[in-house]
Amino acid sequence: GAGVSQSPSNKVTEKGKDVELRCDPISGHTALYWYRQSLGQGLEFLIYFQGNSAPDKSGLPSDRFSAERTGGSVSTLTIQRTQQEDSAVYLCASSLDRVPTYGYTFGSGTRLTVV
Amino acid sequence: AQSVTQLDSQVPVFEEAPVELRCNYSSSVSVYLFWYVQYPNQGLQLLLKYLSGSTLVKGINGFEAEFNKSQTSFHLRKPSVHISDTAEYFCAVSERNFNKFYFGSGTKLNVKP
Repeated sequence: GAGVSQSPSNKVTEKGKDVELRCDPISGHTALYWYRQSLGQGLEFLIYFQGNSAPDKSGLPSDRFSAERTGGSVSTLTIQRTQQEDSAVYLCASSLDRVPTYGYTFGSGTRLTVV
Repeated sequence: AQSVTQLDSQVPVFEEAPVELRCNYSSSVSVYLFWYVQYPNQGLQLLLKYLSGSTLVKGINGFEAEFNKSQTSFHLRKPSVHISDTAEYFCAVSERNFNKFYFGSGTKLNVKP
């Protein structure tokens, strides 16, 4: 597609439930990133995928968080046993370069609310 | 890891006035520097970037930023703002050997008529 697509745009879930967030990057972009934007805070790096290399998971806040990228394209971020502190906007971005000299292209995000 | 500081969480300014949004980063190694803008209920858009060369870079919508290596700063400026510039602005830094960006906490620019 023309841009980075994320779904759903909004998700309300009950505490303790699992959620899946989807990201469809720009076609041909080999790098894909997940960030989290909490209220009043900056963007927190979660995970990075580059081609067929092992992902950089150094930003995942706990083992309840996981992500996969199938076929080098679509990515799914899964949060198990959601907690209220997981409420945030989850942003996906993709880039053409391994070292993103041209910046990322961001999706519009998924706003997750855990009640 | 990098640390990116945006000193002002909110900046109110009147329309047609000049504005400067400040950004400082921690590392003295070579970096790439970026400013992103986020309009309400939208994703982040790249405003401008510094990769190398001239320290004054120009971006979209009349914004510019100056890279100051000695002060490890990358302040964003616009000589005359418009109502439509009301948004949140994020400074981001990437070290040249790494693949992730470090973002500041954002500055909300509120342009008043």
